[in-house]
Amino acid sequence: SQTIHQWPATLVQPVGSPLSLECTVEGTSNPNLYWYRQAAGRGLQLLFYSIGIGQISSEVPQNLSASRPQDRQFILSSKKLLLSDSGFYLCAWNKVSSYNSPLHFGNGTRLTVT
Amino acid sequence: AQSVTQLGSHVSVSEGALVLLRCNYSSSVPPYLFWYVQYPNQGLQLLLKYTTGATLVKGINGFEAEFKKSETSFHLTKPSAHMSDAAEYFCAVTTGEIQGAQKLVFGQGTRLTINP
Repeated sequence: SQTIHQWPATLVQPVGSPLSLECTVEGTSNPNLYWYRQAAGRGLQLLFYSIGIGQISSEVPQNLSASRPQDRQFILSSKKLLLSDSGFYLCAWNKVSSYNSPLHFGNGTRLTVT
Repeated sequence: AQSVTQLGSHVSVSEGALVLLRCNYSSSVPPYLFWYVQYPNQGLQLLLKYTTGATLVKGINGFEAEFKKSETSFHLTKPSAHMSDAAEYFCAVTTGEIQGAQKLVFGQGTRLTINP
């Protein structure tokens, strides 16, 4: 069976510090990968998605970036965090070329920027 | 562009009562619709989905939803609420693949509270 792992579960970082959140998927190959952010009291916002190694699409311009160095690894990064980057970050995957394939989410990383 | 509106950010029902969570969508093409549930400090779990075919969709944990094209709605129901149903529920819409990926648009979420 497929599993998705995200770490760390919680993170407290000062403004201006760098960020690296990691997500890995097991039990499948060539998945679509996604990063979502959930701000307090708001819905989920799609940040990035990837359909293959090195292929990243950005949905929202901001000081975050994403990379996919391996088939089942997705990394969310920032060089300098802002207070507004605080939120709950969720990684998700689904099958490539399956239009009704639901997203499978990790347990998320709660980021607090102080 | 697609959009989703969930009516009511908070819904409270008594244990054993009917649960009704409302979702309306906007889409210029036939949509694919999903309901997800999120328990505290966890990711989202798929409850059910509508793609094509039967408009009444049954999901896990006794939930079901009905796609009504004329009303552009996809409301989530459960006949009898259980304490374990307390969670946040998200409705989402997609019109299929974009560049090989599926881009879901989520509603703002509805927090369901169950009163004993």
